[in-house]
Amino acid sequence: DQQVKQNSPSLSVQEGRISILNCDYTNSMFDYFLWYKKYPAEGPTFLISISSIKDKNEDGRFTVFLNKSAKHLSLHIVPSQPGDSAVYFCAARGGFYNQGGKLIFGQGTELSVKP
Amino acid sequence: EPEVTQTPSHQVTQMGQEVILRCVPISNHLYFYWYRQILGQKVEFLVSFYNNEISEKSEIFDDQFSVERPDGSNFTLKIRSTKLEDSAMYFCASNAGQGVLKAYEQYFGPGTRLTVT
Repeated sequence: DQQVKQNSPSLSVQEGRISILNCDYTNSMFDYFLWYKKYPAEGPTFLISISSIKDKNEDGRFTVFLNKSAKHLSLHIVPSQPGDSAVYFCAARGGFYNQGGKLIFGQGTELSVKP
Repeated sequence: EPEVTQTPSHQVTQMGQEVILRCVPISNHLYFYWYRQILGQKVEFLVSFYNNEISEKSEIFDDQFSVERPDGSNFTLKIRSTKLEDSAMYFCASNAGQGVLKAYEQYFGPGTRLTVT
């Protein structure tokens, strides 16, 4: 099942610079997209989301961009901090809402922010 | 801040044994989920639960799996006869439901590491 793909398994960025994490999807029926951050041996932590009717959502240092025609979304972190080092998962909401709205996850990108 | 809790954090069991993984979702949330992550693989959906019944389940969620909300706070995942390939991190999640702010965001617990030997 490759409906949500994160093609970069890892990314290394200098502290203070921008981190850009990318995600592609194939199913045009997805209506909501979310980014999660995960540390080892912990559960995914919700970061930011975007509805398919928008093309940008911003929350502090985090901005998510959605390009529906390209079926592509990206997460920008500015400025990056060492505490941002973690695995980042892109997820898409699939299924009709009355069926529970399961999330379909990408493989994750491991971000390393170096001081 | 409210959070999803899960117990135990680590469960070791022998093949063929039954296990019950427990979760306490965020109170006043309406939708509950189980996901799992096999080491090195994606987080994958198992089942969603709403209004005391399963609303959707994946191919993985076969007859060996069941879920229950035995009271107003707990949400459990039972595996009747564990197999080696059931070894994974199991995550519980909940979300608030339609009609409220952030209705679609799912909040995850810390996970239970299940090891089947």
